[in-house]
Amino acid sequence: AQSVTQLGSHVSVSEGALVLLRCNYSSSVPPYLFWYVQYPNQGLQLLLKYTTGATLVKGINGFEAEFKKSETSFHLTKPSAHMSDAAEYFCAVSLAISNFGNEKLTFGTGTRLTIIP
Amino acid sequence: DTEVTQTPKHLVMGMTNKKSLKCEQHMGHRAMYWYKQKAKKPPELMFVYSYEKLSINESVPSRFSPECPNSSLLNLHLHALQPEDSALYLCASSRLGGPGANVLTFGAGSRLTVL
Repeated sequence: AQSVTQLGSHVSVSEGALVLLRCNYSSSVPPYLFWYVQYPNQGLQLLLKYTTGATLVKGINGFEAEFKKSETSFHLTKPSAHMSDAAEYFCAVSLAISNFGNEKLTFGTGTRLTIIP
Repeated sequence: DTEVTQTPKHLVMGMTNKKSLKCEQHMGHRAMYWYKQKAKKPPELMFVYSYEKLSINESVPSRFSPECPNSSLLNLHLHALQPEDSALYLCASSRLGGPGANVLTFGAGSRLTVL
């Protein structure tokens, strides 16, 4: 079975500062990893994904994440925080490509990012 | 068109009511999902339809009844719900197979309140 652990349910950073949201995964096989963002009263939006290939993944809104197998981590970073980045961020994992709709996406518990003006 | 549209956005119902949540997508995705999200919690998978057939049911109580009339539509029929069923219900869709698989596109959700 797969799982993800997000360290820190709340993270606050100053506007313009580095954003670092932590995610560690547990998987018996090479995982597929995702970061989703949820703004208040909205659904989830994909920020970026890692499936295979390059371990540094770039996403939307200036975010990126690096897959580190040795550390079982997939931390999300952004060099300079913007007020519009305030939201809930979810790390997620699945074990295989879903060809038949029978591969589950398991979400972490989420990290609420607050930006301090 | 890269959207998943959910209606209604808000629904208040009594425990004896029957209501339905609707979801529509026109991206050609052949997998559709229902998730339940309680406040300050991650989404929890309820059902998955692939090629219009139910492929995953996460032991959801029978008072929730999903339906997939065609590849673009997904319904969730609600009957005899409990107050603890109050939550944000999220619909999502994805491709099956290929590089876009496992990438879910979510709707904005239907916020359900059961009185």
